[in-house]
Amino acid sequence: KQEVTQIPAALSVPEGENLVLNCSFTDSAIYNLQWFRQDPGKGLTSLLLIQSSQREQTSGRLNASLDKSSGRSTLYIAASQPGDSATYLCAVPNYGGSQGNLIFGKGTKLSVKP
Amino acid sequence: KAGVTQTPRYLIKTRGQQVTLSCSPISGHRSVSWYQQTPGQGLQFLFEYFSETQRNKGNFPGRFSGRQFSNSRSEMNVSTLELGDSALYLCASSLGLRDPSGANVLTFGAGSRLTVL
Repeated sequence: KQEVTQIPAALSVPEGENLVLNCSFTDSAIYNLQWFRQDPGKGLTSLLLIQSSQREQTSGRLNASLDKSSGRSTLYIAASQPGDSATYLCAVPNYGGSQGNLIFGKGTKLSVKP
Repeated sequence: KAGVTQTPRYLIKTRGQQVTLSCSPISGHRSVSWYQQTPGQGLQFLFEYFSETQRNKGNFPGRFSGRQFSNSRSEMNVSTLELGDSALYLCASSLGLRDPSGANVLTFGAGSRLTVL
């Protein structure tokens, strides 16, 4: 059974710092991995999707990497800003499921202090 | 382009009642998925509908059900509410293509927050 874990559960950093969020999964047979952002009381916003054949994806100050063999992904945020404060979640498709059936980690709650 | 719309945004019910939540997907999206989010369990998949057919189902009791209409709008229903059903219920839509590359990324609504007293 696929399990997705995110450590740490919470992280507080000063503005301007570069930071890394971690995501691990137990079964390396994944099609892809997605990173989402969730603001308090809101829905999820897709940030990056890495296909299984890719190693990295970049969008602005965000860079996500994927190492299937070790069952790990990282989300790198450069020059963090207070507006980056949110919960970040990673997710992989369930076995044989479509993209609508995702298994999520419990998220890392990021707080960026001015 | 309108996003995914969920109604109602907030509702309060008592134990034993039933509730119906609605989700209007992005125009052109044929797949609608539902998730339950709680502080303890995180985000858990409930079910996915594609072209009015349930495509996948998560590990939830039969009190949780859903359906999809011909215009791709979806509803989920929870009967005989329990305190543990208090949660944020999120709906997501996509093109629904069975594309392992994940080209059809999910777009989530803002959620319906259900409180059961």
